Amino acid sequence: KNQVEQSPQSLIILEGKNCTLQCNYTVSPFSNLRWYKQDTGRGPVSLTIMTFSENTKSNGRYTATLDADTKQSSLHITASQLSDSASYICVVRGASNYQLIWGAGTKLIIKP
Amino acid sequence: DTEVTQTPKHLVMGMTNKKSLKCEQHMGHRAMYWYKQKAKKPPELMFVYSYEKLSINESVPSRFSPECPNSSLLNLHLHALQPEDSALYLCASSQEGQGPWEQYFGPGTRLTVT
Repeated sequence: KNQVEQSPQSLIILEGKNCTLQCNYTVSPFSNLRWYKQDTGRGPVSLTIMTFSENTKSNGRYTATLDADTKQSSLHITASQLSDSASYICVVRGASNYQLIWGAGTKLIIKP
Repeated sequence: DTEVTQTPKHLVMGMTNKKSLKCEQHMGHRAMYWYKQKAKKPPELMFVYSYEKLSINESVPSRFSPECPNSSLLNLHLHALQPEDSALYLCASSQEGQGPWEQYFGPGTRLTVT
């Protein structure tokens, strides 16, 4: 069964600290993996898209890694800011052009 | 311009009402999507339009009726909804064809059915 699992479910860190969110997937065939940031009550915003051949991709203070062999991805946030408080969702696209398999998300809270 | 707009932002409707949600994009995308998202859950795909034709209907009840009048607009017509249909409705768009195409999401319409 195609699944995307994320950990931790929630995370609280102090402003300025770094954190890493994890994503494991069992999607086959694999096409690409995305990380989205979603503020409460708003639409998701894409942070990165990674294909099979990409190991690392950065977007400002966000760095995503992908290990296609172990089917694991991580999202590292550096020097966190209060505005980073949101849900971070790992999404995998398999064979279908349109259908994405969504993880349950990690709710990140940054405290001053 | 990488913006997808949705109107209205909030909608409260009774179970006998008829209303419509609207979505617009001007990025030249030929794939457009409707998602439903309940609190603390990931978005669930409802419909996909490809080149203005309905490509995917994820067994959505007929009280939800999508429409794609042109390549920039996507509507979702609502009729005789149930309270459990209350959710955040998200519209998205992307390029068509093979490729790691980005799906751009709108801000959503918060729907409450009373």
